[in-house]
Amino acid sequence: EVQLVQSGTEVRKPGESLRISCKASGYSFTTYWIGWVRQMPGKGLEWMGIISPGDSQTKYSPSFQDQVTISADKSISTAYLQWNRLKASDTAMYYCARHNDGPDYWGQGTLVTVSS
Amino acid sequence: DIQMTQSPSSLSASVGDKVTITCRASQSVSRYLKWYQQKPGKAPKLLIYAVSTLQSGVPLRFSGSEFGTDFTLTISSLQPEDFATYYCHQSYIPPYTFGQGTTLQIK
Repeated sequence: EVQLVQSGTEVRKPGESLRISCKASGYSFTTYWIGWVRQMPGKGLEWMGIISPGDSQTKYSPSFQDQVTISADKSISTAYLQWNRLKASDTAMYYCARHNDGPDYWGQGTLVTVSS
Repeated sequence: DIQMTQSPSSLSASVGDKVTITCRASQSVSRYLKWYQQKPGKAPKLLIYAVSTLQSGVPLRFSGSEFGTDFTLTISSLQPEDFATYYCHQSYIPPYTFGQGTTLQIK
């Protein structure tokens, strides 16, 4: 059974750094791209970017390029989403999703709140 | 970027009704079109991939079709559990993009 289990809720202050994680199981981690989707409070889904865990090739939405970093550690089947300097506007739910010509399996979501 | 424009943005309907949601792509997305259902507080769930193929376990009342760059999701007979928000998504050319969503509400 394919499962994506994300790390828990985070509360940070503006300017702080953060890395959230997504651990995959039930399939060969390096076979599929894996990526992240943002959902701001009360809003729709926004595709952020994806990574190929086998060779670490990435594709980003221009809206998120240089704002976040997507990485993966194939030795532990885990993908990451990282911010160096959080902003209040980063407050959102973040979902990881396996990509098979688009997202098919999704994690449960990680709520990130950025507030002073 | 390919823009995915969904209509309507919201829709009120009754149990048993047939409803259709449309997604228009700003350019060709070939058959790289998926539909998702999202309920409040939950992750999206894949309903349909490759325009018209039902994901395993999805009820047969859901169907997808295309007319050029217009794509439709049809629910043939609404059930109480179908009231949710629906999104289309293209994965043909990055950056991949979602429609803005259609919220299906009980009339």
